[in-house]
Amino acid sequence: EAGVAQSPRYKIIEKRQSVAFWCNPISGHATLYWYQQILGQGPKLLIQFQNNGVVDDSQLPKDRFSAERLKGVDSTLKIQPAKLEDSAVYLCASSLLGRVLSTEAFFGQGTRLTVV
Amino acid sequence: GNSVTQMEGPVTLSEEAFLTINCTYTATGYPSLFWYVQYPGEGLQLLLKATKADDKGSNKGFEATYRKETTSFHLEKGSVQVSDSAVYFCALSGGAGNTGKLIFGQGTTLQVKP
Repeated sequence: EAGVAQSPRYKIIEKRQSVAFWCNPISGHATLYWYQQILGQGPKLLIQFQNNGVVDDSQLPKDRFSAERLKGVDSTLKIQPAKLEDSAVYLCASSLLGRVLSTEAFFGQGTRLTVV
Repeated sequence: GNSVTQMEGPVTLSEEAFLTINCTYTATGYPSLFWYVQYPGEGLQLLLKATKADDKGSNKGFEATYRKETTSFHLEKGSVQVSDSAVYFCALSGGAGNTGKLIFGQGTTLQVKP
């Protein structure tokens, strides 16, 4: 079974530039998550989709971050404009998550963003 | 709100030593509890989980028991190997008001020396 695919693996940009990350979840997984993992910290949820609807985006800095999940499959996360503090690993995860709210989430390898 | 607290790292052990990584949580309702592991250069992967009080999750020689009375989910292994060197994350999901998202602790780095 193919895992969660993310691209690119690494990205270096200057502050105030924009960047986009792409995620392809495991086939059939209705729920997709984007997490931000700052060095030395645990992952923090940015946004959660159920199919193509947003379930939770309370921690998403909406003045600069945006995300979409068209057709309930692939997703993109965009930052515009980037700040130095956005340097982190951006993780995409997916799960079956239907009625049971505690199913396993499968993670991609992440995109390491460095803002200089 | 719900939260997870892990012991500070790094933890450095010799091969075959006993491992304990402490994890406590704060949550309303009845969350599920997880340990995820991140090996160098790899993504997060589920190590074990427990979905209700007194459940014991186990995998690859690691164990953790869901203790509701102490709100804990400590990770243990009787004899660690060099290959266990990684970052370990305790997490919870579900419970009252949770949409199914995982809430992680800060992670504990384990280094095992031969």
